[in-house]
Amino acid sequence: QQQVKQSPQSLIVQKGGISIINCAYENTAFDYFPWYQQFPGKGPALLIAIRPDVSEKKEGRFTISFNKSAKQFSLHIMDSQPGDSATYFCAARKGSNYKLTFGKGTLLTVNP
Amino acid sequence: DTGVSQDPRHKITKRGQNVTFRCDPISEHNRLYWYRQTLGQGPEFLTYFQNEAQLEKSRLLSDRFSAERPKGSFSTLEIQRTEQGDSAMYLCASSPDNYYEQYFGPGTRLTVT
Repeated sequence: QQQVKQSPQSLIVQKGGISIINCAYENTAFDYFPWYQQFPGKGPALLIAIRPDVSEKKEGRFTISFNKSAKQFSLHIMDSQPGDSATYFCAARKGSNYKLTFGKGTLLTVNP
Repeated sequence: DTGVSQDPRHKITKRGQNVTFRCDPISEHNRLYWYRQTLGQGPEFLTYFQNEAQLEKSRLLSDRFSAERPKGSFSTLEIQRTEQGDSAMYLCASSPDNYYEQYFGPGTRLTVT
């Protein structure tokens, strides 16, 4: 059972465009939703995270939108740059269960 | 503070051999996690330590896997009698108490031939 479903699997965007990656979860006990960025051969790096008590969080060019009733959340990358080309993972965690459950990832390519 | 470090970065071993990986968390981070990541997949949780206590193990962690954190600082992950299916990136992460964010190391890439 895949608890966090991520789409699309891959995404190609032109420089300056908006990249949108979506995730859906099943377990309503999840209470923390981070996004990680991973470059080839590197470990995942925390990008931005949100708690379900807010509907949106923005940090620089990165925004998380959260829809609790639909059990969905998304990452928006504004003014996408070639340096943003990486694999992006959404994840979720529930309460005192400290492990993160990850989506399968989205390979983002930003063309110059 | 240089972040979470892992050693070695790459390991090639023959099937049936034992391997051990080391993780050094960020200083004063009491929580330490091990994840496994296969090609094209997200990281999957293996086990979690609060100081030296191993509090949770995934069913992915078969009897051939053992993890320790003897003094609540660095941790080791040992795989005995390696199989080709063990080939993956093994990731370590750490976090302080009462803190949701987990910070990952660069990982150890294991190849079993």
